[in-house]
Amino acid sequence: DAGITQSPRHKVTETGTPVTLRCHQTENHRYMYWYRQDPGHGLRLIHYSYGVKDTDKGEVSDGYSVSRSKTEDFLLTLESATSSQTSVYFCAVQQGQGFLGGYTFGSGTRLTVV
Amino acid sequence: AQKVTQAQTEISVVEKEDVTLDCVYETRDTTYYLFWYKQPPSGELVFLIRRNSFDEQNEISGRYSWNFQKSTSSFNFTITASQVVDSAVYFCALSEARAAGNKLTFGGGTRVLVKP
Repeated sequence: DAGITQSPRHKVTETGTPVTLRCHQTENHRYMYWYRQDPGHGLRLIHYSYGVKDTDKGEVSDGYSVSRSKTEDFLLTLESATSSQTSVYFCAVQQGQGFLGGYTFGSGTRLTVV
Repeated sequence: AQKVTQAQTEISVVEKEDVTLDCVYETRDTTYYLFWYKQPPSGELVFLIRRNSFDEQNEISGRYSWNFQKSTSSFNFTITASQVVDSAVYFCALSEARAAGNKLTFGGGTRVLVKP
């Protein structure tokens, strides 16, 4: 268990409001990822981080920003939430180095934008 | 660009039947990793298996088995003698194998419903 905690677990927010989701890990893993899960699409990568203050965009990054000021925390911000961002968001860490490490996922955050 | 296709969106079987989930992938990399994850109704993602592109041996783990065929870019998953607890969404995923963190590309998932 990579000790990943996502918060909040559930959130309902209004269109146009900013929202921040938090991913916290306790095992000092370097690589962290944010995915969103939508029916028929599986999980799609939003942003990822390869170290403190080092982040990059994934496949579906528009409308999202991330920050990683500490190794243990990777924050995902929806700058102005839209209904299309209603989804389940998963954080993941990669254990080990490079391609030798497996992935562990958090429990997910269910976000509803109304 | 990498792509993973799970053509079966939903499979329904009766308990004790075998079920095979198809996964076809596309990549230009010669070194890559393939994964299967299970997502039960509770929602968490459970890691099942990881195979690298150099290892085409089939693998069996209890009632689960995997058939990796590089020639057809397929990594199929079979559940033998299915049980109700196998009801879940199953995802196939592909990872590049580079030094600077590796991103997973997921298929759309196959929902398996095992009826008693």
